[in-house]
Amino acid sequence: AQKITQTQPGMFVQEKEAVTLDCTYDTSDPSYGLFWYKQPSSGEMIFLIYQGSYDQQNATEGRYSLNFQKARKSANLVISASQLGDSAMYFCAMREGTGGYNKLIFGAGTRLAVHP
Amino acid sequence: EAQVTQNPRYLITVTGKKLTVTCSQNMNHEYMSWYRQDPGLGLRQIYYSMNVEVTDKGDVPEGYKVSRKEKRNFPLILESPSPNQTSLYFCASSVRTGGNVLVANVLTFGAGSRLTVL
Repeated sequence: AQKITQTQPGMFVQEKEAVTLDCTYDTSDPSYGLFWYKQPSSGEMIFLIYQGSYDQQNATEGRYSLNFQKARKSANLVISASQLGDSAMYFCAMREGTGGYNKLIFGAGTRLAVHP
Repeated sequence: EAQVTQNPRYLITVTGKKLTVTCSQNMNHEYMSWYRQDPGLGLRQIYYSMNVEVTDKGDVPEGYKVSRKEKRNFPLILESPSPNQTSLYFCASSVRTGGNVLVANVLTFGAGSRLTVL
């Protein structure tokens, strides 16, 4: 079974608007972490934001926020005020356990295009 | 600058010609791992290492070998590459945490190595 599902292969958004990238996950481990990475056309993986399964508040990092709905097992990434430089592939990932065995399970990714 | 360095960044080779992709980190991280990225599949873990001389298989280890003789280096070896190993490869590292506290422990990725096997 897919552990991380990103149902949107591609999305587009107008510059300065907000966009939500969907991610659902599946785990029976009570301790887990959720991550979002950005991959621009140059190919590197850039860490954006992290949410721990016990965190009460949604994580935020500048224009990025993670809409964490534990009961629904979803961890959507919200990008506010989109910029042209946000055009990239975005990956949602999960790590089961507390982090000693630091294996990330990735979704298939969502390609975001920001239009001027 | 703290970083993970992979080489080569780009390589075209032929079936059966042994190759090694090097990975080096300067952050004194215990944990290192290799992933491959394929369209529609995201990234999948090939091998990982918890410390020097300690390595283990990830989800897609077939056709690959690794070694960890020094803390900073974790090379990926393709003894007899085949076309289905054409992919984008990433090395990543982090500290090794212990205990039962849930922490971020973010993986730092290298810039990627794009390998084509003809």
